[in-house]
Amino acid sequence: QKEVEQNSGPLSVPEGAIASLNCTYSDRGSQSFFWYRQYSGKSPELIMFIYSNGDKEDGRFTAQLNKASQYVSLLIRDSQPSDSATYLCAVNSGGYQKVTFGIGTKLQVIP
Amino acid sequence: SQTIHQWPATLVQPVGSPLSLECTVEGTSNPNLYWYRQAAGRGLQLLFYSVGIGQISSEVPQNLSASRPQDRQFILSSKKLLLSDSGFYLCAWSDNVDSGYTFGSGTRLTVV
Repeated sequence: QKEVEQNSGPLSVPEGAIASLNCTYSDRGSQSFFWYRQYSGKSPELIMFIYSNGDKEDGRFTAQLNKASQYVSLLIRDSQPSDSATYLCAVNSGGYQKVTFGIGTKLQVIP
Repeated sequence: SQTIHQWPATLVQPVGSPLSLECTVEGTSNPNLYWYRQAAGRGLQLLFYSVGIGQISSEVPQNLSASRPQDRQFILSSKKLLLSDSGFYLCAWSDNVDSGYTFGSGTRLTVV
């Protein structure tokens, strides 16, 4: 069974610090990788996707992918209290139907 | 621009009652449509997906069913709800699975 593993947290960081969220996946054939943000009681919102090894930056967010280690991470620079949410890692192992989500990491940014 | 609508937002239903949740997408044609469920403390579980009208694939055998009567309409149904059907139901669409999904606002279902 294809799995996506995340630490459920909570991960607490002070305002202005870098938050580092991590995710590992089991299927070496996985092709695309996503990070979603989910505020409490709300639906997930796509914030980043990455296909290739290395880093991808978008504003304060950086996604990092290491296929050899089967590891995806999300860095949030200059963390703000508004970043407090659960961050879901998702992995596409091929095809329309093969996106698997992790349980999410709850991030708390302390003012 | 594309928008996705999902209703109702909350629902409290007795065990054994029927269920119908509806999702519609605007601003695109022939979207890929998905139903997910998120139970407390658990990840998103894919229930059904559809790549076209009348084409439904089920990922999890259970007492739920899905239908796609129109190109941009996706319906989740049950004839008799179980307590274990409680959860946060999310509809999503994509035109390219490698670009990620856009989720609807979700329906929080409580079966009592």
